[in-house]
Amino acid sequence: GAGVSQSPSNKVTEKGKDVELRCDPISGHTALYWYRQSLGQGLEFLIYFQGNSAPDKSGLPSDRFSAERTGGSVSTLTIQRTQQEDSAVYLCASSFSTGGYGYTFGSGTRLTVV
Amino acid sequence: KNQVEQSPQSLIILEGKNCTLQCNYTVSPFSNLRWYKQDTGRGPVSLTIMTFSENTKSNGRYTATLDADTKQSSLHITASQLSDSASYICVVSDRGSTLGRLYFGRGTQLTVWP
Repeated sequence: GAGVSQSPSNKVTEKGKDVELRCDPISGHTALYWYRQSLGQGLEFLIYFQGNSAPDKSGLPSDRFSAERTGGSVSTLTIQRTQQEDSAVYLCASSFSTGGYGYTFGSGTRLTVV
Repeated sequence: KNQVEQSPQSLIILEGKNCTLQCNYTVSPFSNLRWYKQDTGRGPVSLTIMTFSENTKSNGRYTATLDADTKQSSLHITASQLSDSASYICVVSDRGSTLGRLYFGRGTQLTVWP
């Protein structure tokens, strides 16, 4: 596609439910990042995928968070047993492998846990 | 440890005034540095990108500087406008072989008052 596509754009869920957020990167981009931005806070790195390498999960805040990237393309971020503090905008970005060129953000998924 | 630190965390200025945002990084080896502007509820938009050999780059009223020796960058905004109110994010890329990993600052939240 022309850009990084994220879905849904908005998600309201009840506390304790599981949610899945989807990111469809730009075709040919081998690097994919997830991060989140809580209200009034800066960007928080979550996870980084690069090709077939093992992902860098160092930013995941707890074991309730996990992410997969199937076939080196689409990625899904899963949050289990959601808590109110998980409410944030979850942003995805992708880039070419070398030097991060062509780095493009998606428009994000706004998650609200009630 | 590769890190990107931004200051100040937040800044309030009056319309028409100038301001400077700072970014210090420890990312090595260095490939390039970007400044992004993120409006509330939107994905970040690239303002400038600079490589090792570039000291300054302008984009309209935005001027970014880079000192690769001290590993510091600044973003100067001239004659601020209300529409400049946003989060400004510094992103640094390394030259790690095929990975080209990106490191994010947490952003500076700029508010321009009339």
